[in-house]
Amino acid sequence: AQSVTQLGSHVSVSEGALVLLRCNYSSSVPPYLFWYVQYPNQGLQLLLKYTSAATLVKGINGFEAEFKKSETSFHLTKPSAHMRDAAEYFCAVSPMNYGGATNKLIFGTGTLLAVQP
Amino acid sequence: DVKVTQSSRYLVKRTGEKVFLECVQDMDHENMFWYRQDPGLGLRLIYFSYDVKMKEKGDIPEGYSVSREKKERFSLILESASTNQTSMYLCASGEDSTDTQYFGPGTRLTVL
Repeated sequence: AQSVTQLGSHVSVSEGALVLLRCNYSSSVPPYLFWYVQYPNQGLQLLLKYTSAATLVKGINGFEAEFKKSETSFHLTKPSAHMRDAAEYFCAVSPMNYGGATNKLIFGTGTLLAVQP
Repeated sequence: DVKVTQSSRYLVKRTGEKVFLECVQDMDHENMFWYRQDPGLGLRLIYFSYDVKMKEKGDIPEGYSVSREKKERFSLILESASTNQTSMYLCASGEDSTDTQYFGPGTRLTVL
């Protein structure tokens, strides 16, 4: 079964420091990959997505992620953390099979990012 | 601006009650989804619908049913609520697997 793993349920960084949130997927066919963010008491919103075009994907709020097929990874980065980045981040995979897309998302368990002043 | 709305932000029900959670989207999307979100488990798909009156089970459909009579509205039904259904419920809509899923604000359901 296709799945996504997020390493680290809690990550804490200082304001201005690099943010790195890890995501690995398992899929025999390269999937579509997404990062969503959830601010407190809100639903999820899309940060960025990879759909087999450029492997380095730029998203909103200065975030980017790189698709690495050899490592089956899609890690999320931001060069300089801001207090407003404190939120929960979810990596998701849209499983592909040999018949094509499946129109579903499988989510990781989430990483809660804390930003210290 | 795109919008997915859910009928309640907070809901408290008693064990055995029938519970309806409503979701409406204004983007004319084909697909709509119901997830539950629990700490440490992420989001898990309960049901989704790819067209009016069409539905497909997700990963955890037991204890739930759904209804989609109109394209813009997707309802989640708990036939007989139980305490283990206390959770955050999120509705989403989207066009296809490459498209963004747009989420509502969620309904936090407590079953006593």
